[in-house]
Amino acid sequence: GAVVSQHPSWVICKSGTSVKIECRSLDFQATTMFWYRQFPKQSLMLMATSNEGSKATYEQGVEKDKFLINHASLTLSTLTVTSAHPEDSSFYICSADKAHNYGYTFGSGTRLTVV
Amino acid sequence: KQEVTQIPAALSVPEGENLVLNCSFTDSAIYNLQWFRQDPGKGLTSLLLIQSSQREQTSGRLNASLDKSSGRSTLYIAASQPGDSATYLCAVHNQGGKLIFGQGTELSVKP
Repeated sequence: GAVVSQHPSWVICKSGTSVKIECRSLDFQATTMFWYRQFPKQSLMLMATSNEGSKATYEQGVEKDKFLINHASLTLSTLTVTSAHPEDSSFYICSADKAHNYGYTFGSGTRLTVV
Repeated sequence: KQEVTQIPAALSVPEGENLVLNCSFTDSAIYNLQWFRQDPGKGLTSLLLIQSSQREQTSGRLNASLDKSSGRSTLYIAASQPGDSATYLCAVHNQGGKLIFGQGTELSVKP
């Protein structure tokens, strides 16, 4: 199988604080992981591609200083939302693909609420 | 630029009906196409993966087809059940390495 674990599943934080979300591949190594954002009733928007041992690649319009991505090992990528504001409240999901012919596996998502 | 469109945006059917969800994409240069299910507030569950060289895949009551040349895929659900109620997402894996999603079809199966 291919299992991706995401933690926490939900978090509430105060405006101005930072929040870290973890994404782990449990039974395979992932040199590449992906971070998505999803607004209510909308589809997933790719934010960035996380590359093990190198800098993440961000999609157009995504602030790299706001959304810090670290992929320090073959099984862990983290997304840190820095100085969070209410407009950062959203559902964040990570994914990884075990192999090109296996398809993508997604984490269970993190509901972030900034108050 | 790859664009993925799903029709209809929402669908409500009585239990037991067979139904078809549609997905179209603009660039046929894809590695594969994947259908996902998403329950409210949850992550994505992969339903079926069709490689670019394949025409269809089946899993239980689900059957997905792929016509790469015309840029279309369908997800067929047989004998629908209330537990099938969810949002169904189609996504294509571009040869550029990215997974591009459609907007989803919100399915409601009424008992």
